[in-house]
Amino acid sequence: GAGVSQSPRYKVAKRGQDVALRCDPISGHVSLFWYQQALGQGPEFLTYFQNEAQLDKSGLPSDRFFAERPEGSVSTLKIQRTQQEDSAVYLCASSLGLDVYEQYFGPGTRLTVT
Amino acid sequence: GENVEQHPSTLSVQEGDSAVIKCTYSDSASNYFPWYKQELGKRPQLIIDIRSNVGEKKDQRIAVTLNKTAKHFSLHITETQPEDSAVYFCAAGGADGLTFGKGTHLIIQP
Repeated sequence: GAGVSQSPRYKVAKRGQDVALRCDPISGHVSLFWYQQALGQGPEFLTYFQNEAQLDKSGLPSDRFFAERPEGSVSTLKIQRTQQEDSAVYLCASSLGLDVYEQYFGPGTRLTVT
Repeated sequence: GENVEQHPSTLSVQEGDSAVIKCTYSDSASNYFPWYKQELGKRPQLIIDIRSNVGEKKDQRIAVTLNKTAKHFSLHITETQPEDSAVYFCAAGGADGLTFGKGTHLIIQP
């Protein structure tokens, strides 16, 4: 079946612009996660949804970052007033949830802030 | 919060030899330990995982061991092949998210 998809794959934003990154999880997956991966580093947790409920947003680096999953399927990560330090790959992952923990990642969105 | 340390950062082995990557974690509440393989420019791919109620798990040439008391877990790859060259990440956590190590760049020498 279809895996996790993300769009756009690449985004170049001027400093100060707002961006919106989209994630389509695997159909039927209850849990959805956003991670930020800087060059040469491991993914870092940003936020977690169970269905439409955002249960953990402790990893969001500032109040410029906002995530939503209004219908419990597609999720959007929004970054307001982008800064150069926001440049990274943003990865989305989904898992079936309940007692199934395996997370499957999307291809990521590479954000470059100039 | 959870802290995951991963060693070594780079590992070079001869084709056909074994490779071992080690990780430690800090939070005793973590109960799920996956390993991901990431090729350059690609998404992380889950290759094997282990739950905290299991000490060892094997899948063909890949095995993972977990020592809950010492809070460390390891990835073992036997009979390495050129296609094993990639960055490998360990992670610790549970249903609500993962903390990743910094990665090991595995190089398979012909």
